[in-house]
Amino acid sequence: NAGVTQTPKFQVLKTGQSMTLQCAQDMNHNSMYWYRQDPGMGLRLIYYSASEGTTDKGEVPNGYNVSRLNKREFSLRLESAAPSQTSVYFCASRIQDPANEKLFFGSGTQLSVL
Amino acid sequence: AQSVTQPDIHITVSEGASLELRCNYSYGATPYLFWYVQSPGQGLQLLLKYFSGDTLVQGIKGFEAEFKRSQSSFNLRKPSVHWSDAAEYFCAVGIPGGGADGLTFGKGTHLIIQP
Repeated sequence: NAGVTQTPKFQVLKTGQSMTLQCAQDMNHNSMYWYRQDPGMGLRLIYYSASEGTTDKGEVPNGYNVSRLNKREFSLRLESAAPSQTSVYFCASRIQDPANEKLFFGSGTQLSVL
Repeated sequence: AQSVTQPDIHITVSEGASLELRCNYSYGATPYLFWYVQSPGQGLQLLLKYFSGDTLVQGIKGFEAEFKRSQSSFNLRKPSVHWSDAAEYFCAVGIPGGGADGLTFGKGTHLIIQP
């Protein structure tokens, strides 16, 4: 049971480069999320997708774009990376059953922008 | 909008001692409440959650948490910690019946276990 799979695990970029973080879940969840984690800041929501074909901004969307390719996959793109985007990124999916509310997380992508 | 406060950034506890991690929330009604744990280099794992009913909830790894409406708190406890409990702990709130934007997380408490 794979759960939520993120790639890559580590990435180093130069300022201005672009890249896409990939996320896939095999649990047939409707909702998917991208968070970033920074020291002392907890997890902050970048974008989310409540269902296939929809995406919405979270708390810190600037500098990012997302694509909900299908129900399984939700990618995060940095078009022109900046040092302020150095962070650990987590993808998550969610059961929306009110009686079983829960987020499932991937293992994270550590991104450094030089 | 809901918010979560974890007042302690770091906590150091001796192995075998009891533990309490504090969490306070702000929301107009009773939210869904969660505790997640993050081991180094890993994603977050759900420890326990409160939706309704019994205010004392049991979770995995011997953890429990108590919802206190009067104090807007959901503190996490463990009677006797083990070295493997060293991790980052996050409290989170969700809106019952809605909130497609998921959960709001606190900033985390880093738990250090000393021998």
